[in-house]
Amino acid sequence: AQSVTQPDIHITVSEGASLELRCNYSYGATPYLFWYVQSPGQGLQLLLKYFSGDTLVQGIKGFEAEFKRSQSSFNLRKPSVHWSDAAEYFCAVGAGIQGAQKLVFGQGTRLTINP
Amino acid sequence: EPEVTQTPSHQVTQMGQEVILRCVPISNHLYFYWYRQILGQKVEFLVSFYNNEISEKSEIFDDQFSVERPDGSNFTLKIRSTKLEDSAMYFCASNLQGFNQPQHFGDGTRLSIL
Repeated sequence: AQSVTQPDIHITVSEGASLELRCNYSYGATPYLFWYVQSPGQGLQLLLKYFSGDTLVQGIKGFEAEFKRSQSSFNLRKPSVHWSDAAEYFCAVGAGIQGAQKLVFGQGTRLTINP
Repeated sequence: EPEVTQTPSHQVTQMGQEVILRCVPISNHLYFYWYRQILGQKVEFLVSFYNNEISEKSEIFDDQFSVERPDGSNFTLKIRSTKLEDSAMYFCASNLQGFNQPQHFGDGTRLSIL
């Protein structure tokens, strides 16, 4: 069965510092991978996606993620965080080979930014 | 940019009562989904819907749950007889092409069962 693991429940970084959020997935076929962000009281906003091709994908708000098949990972990075990046971050894998493709989410990582 | 809209934002219901959560997906989208997030837990898939029928449902989506697209714009989730454990945030999502395309999410409905 498909699964996503986000090992870090909560991360705190200082404003201006670099950030890496970890994501490992388990999926038998070619994975379709996503990072979503959820601010308090808000829905899930897509940050970036990987379907195929270049393994380093760029997203919105200065985020990027790298797909590493050998490590079954899709880690999210940002060179310099801003206070507005404080939120919950979810990694997800799209499960299904045709038609409606459900998303399987990780537990989420809550990001706190120190001033 | 088009959005998925959900109403109400917060619903409080007595246990055993029926509740209907409403969603207006993005207008040209064809695939629709419901997810839920119990407080402090991960977002879980409930059901997907295409061409006026359920494509897939999870184990959570038992006989108490149903979905409907009553007209060309709304997509609803009905819980027939609510239980305390149904308390959660419910998210609606949609995309144009189910496969190989990101889903767009609404802001959710917080359902509180008393």
